[in-house]
Amino acid sequence: EPEVTQTPSHQVTQMGQEVILRCVPISNHLYFYWYRQILGQKVEFLVSFYNNEISEKSEIFDDQFSVERPDGSNFTLKIRSTKLEDSAMYFCASKRDSPLHFGNGTRLTVT
Amino acid sequence: SQQGEEDPQALSIQEGENATMNCSYKTSINNLQWYRQNSGRGLVHLILIRSNEREKHSGRLRVTLDTSKKSSSLLITASRAADTASYFCATGSGGSNYKLTFGKGTLLTVNP
Repeated sequence: EPEVTQTPSHQVTQMGQEVILRCVPISNHLYFYWYRQILGQKVEFLVSFYNNEISEKSEIFDDQFSVERPDGSNFTLKIRSTKLEDSAMYFCASKRDSPLHFGNGTRLTVT
Repeated sequence: SQQGEEDPQALSIQEGENATMNCSYKTSINNLQWYRQNSGRGLVHLILIRSNEREKHSGRLRVTLDTSKKSSSLLITASRAADTASYFCATGSGGSNYKLTFGKGTLLTVNP
């Protein structure tokens, strides 16, 4: 069965550094998402992306965050200048119809 | 309570027993979905129930939805140790059923 794949599985970075989290959604999917889960907390919506543009974003998704689908297969989340509170699991998801298919996540640790 | 609140927060049962988890929500919804998450892993979709449905089955899973009470339940029958995971309900609303609001989840432990 096709899967959403995310790389890397774990990323450690220093505060203030830029990180790029990568995702390869399922190939015929049209809608793409990023969610995050801070340890022990809820899974939170960050952003949705459709037709090469952001369709919705949450309050968390401020100017430090950006998304891109550079080549029709990858879907990336960039955090420009990481903060300690950005430490979390970041999940990519995609769909064509319902439901969402999630990747296994990237654990981001900001030190 | 917030949108998509599950209870109990943790549930420990013996293999073979049934597990029931509940979810309450506040706003009107298009659908409600249940996901499972093994420790440190991604979210796996289990079942979706639309707002005009009252009950749905999938294998050992049974989901009910009561829109008048804004609540749903997930029943796992004849549980197995491999069912040990966190279970989340997620609501899709506002015409954008792709934006899901998750609860904090129920941690289910099935003891062999």
